[in-house]
Amino acid sequence: AQRVTQPEKLLSVFKGAPVELKCNYSYSGSPELFWYVQYSRQRLQLLLRHISRESIKGFTADLNKGETSFHLKKPFAQEEDSAMYYCALSGGYSGGGADGLTFGKGTHLIIQP
Amino acid sequence: GAGVSQSPRYKVAKRGQDVALRCDPISGHVSLFWYQQALGQGPEFLTYFQNEAQLDKSGLPSDRFFAERPEGSVSTLKIQRTQQEDSAVYLCASSRGVNTEAFFGQGTRLTVV
Repeated sequence: AQRVTQPEKLLSVFKGAPVELKCNYSYSGSPELFWYVQYSRQRLQLLLRHISRESIKGFTADLNKGETSFHLKKPFAQEEDSAMYYCALSGGYSGGGADGLTFGKGTHLIIQP
Repeated sequence: GAGVSQSPRYKVAKRGQDVALRCDPISGHVSLFWYQQALGQGPEFLTYFQNEAQLDKSGLPSDRFFAERPEGSVSTLKIQRTQQEDSAVYLCASSRGVNTEAFFGQGTRLTVV
């Protein structure tokens, strides 16, 4: 069974400090990994996906298959980064070819001024 | 250029009542997903449509839950004989196809009293 674990429910850092949001996954095949973000009173939106290898809003995430991790990092946190962050995995579903997502429970990131 | 639209935004139902939640996906999006997000949890997959075909309903928690997308556009998630454990935010997402970005709606918050 596929599973995504985000060990921190809440992470509080000061503005300008580095940020690392942890994500570990369990999946037997080759998954695709994502980070989704939900700002206050807004809908869930894609932040980045590992296959695109992009840096979005200064965030990066590297897929480490040996450690089955996909941690989200940013060198200098900004106040507008405060939000809920969800790590998600897509591995497809047997019999249907769907690419529905398996989400972690989320980490609430608070950037203090 | 409207995004995914869900209605109603909030629904309060008495235990035992039937409810219907509507999702208007982005025009032209082939794939449509329903997720259930309980308080303090990440979204959990319920079901997936490709056009009008429901290809995966493995996440539906019981036979009280039923989803349809008869014309391959608007989708309705119906919950019969609601129970308190059905209280959650129900999210709809759509995408152009397999392995493309999924766009989420604002969700419907269902409270069963």
